[in-house]
Amino acid sequence: GAVVSQHPSWVICKSGTSVKIECRSLDFQATTMFWYRQFPKQSLMLMATSNEGSKATYEQGVEKDKFLINHASLTLSTLTVTSAHPEDSSFYICSARTGARDTDTQYFGPGTRLTVL
Amino acid sequence: GNSVTQMEGPVTLSEEAFLTINCTYTATGYPSLFWYVQYPGEGLQLLLKATKADDKGSNKGFEATYRKETTSFHLEKGSVQVSDSAVYFCALSGPRGGNKLTFGTGTQLKVEL
Repeated sequence: GAVVSQHPSWVICKSGTSVKIECRSLDFQATTMFWYRQFPKQSLMLMATSNEGSKATYEQGVEKDKFLINHASLTLSTLTVTSAHPEDSSFYICSARTGARDTDTQYFGPGTRLTVL
Repeated sequence: GNSVTQMEGPVTLSEEAFLTINCTYTATGYPSLFWYVQYPGEGLQLLLKATKADDKGSNKGFEATYRKETTSFHLEKGSVQVSDSAVYFCALSGPRGGNKLTFGTGTQLKVEL
């Protein structure tokens, strides 16, 4: 089946530093990748939609200068949390979709737990 | 806009009990419907999906039927196991929503011996 990986699985950083999270589709090409944020015991909040070779589309309320997304290839998207602060601590999850139709399934990565001290 | 409403949890059942997790939706047009499962400490996994009215998605003993008339996609399993303990998310994807997934709040299921 379709596998999506994320790296790292967890990261602890100091306030003010930047953290990069990678999302890879291992056995398929993903024209579209999504980044979500999940707070404890809550649902997933879509942060942005990333299409290969173009700028990401951010959801309302998400700071594009703080959460930098790059989708350089059909198998890799990265999320960089710039100048991280404790309130950015969260579980970040990416997903990748094989096609552009609403019937196409999104396959999720295992998530990255970010803790900002 | 699109929205998904799930029954609140946690739901606690004994092993081999029957499971129903209710899910209703609001959407423009004809969305695709999904159930995802999240085991502790892991990301979401697709459990099943249905892409048109009256379709039944099934996997690992779980089933859900796309009911257009009641805008529902309830998840059922005839006999749960301890290993089914997880959080279950109902979601939809529709053309009017830019093909993005809209999730419900999730329902935690605990299965005890």
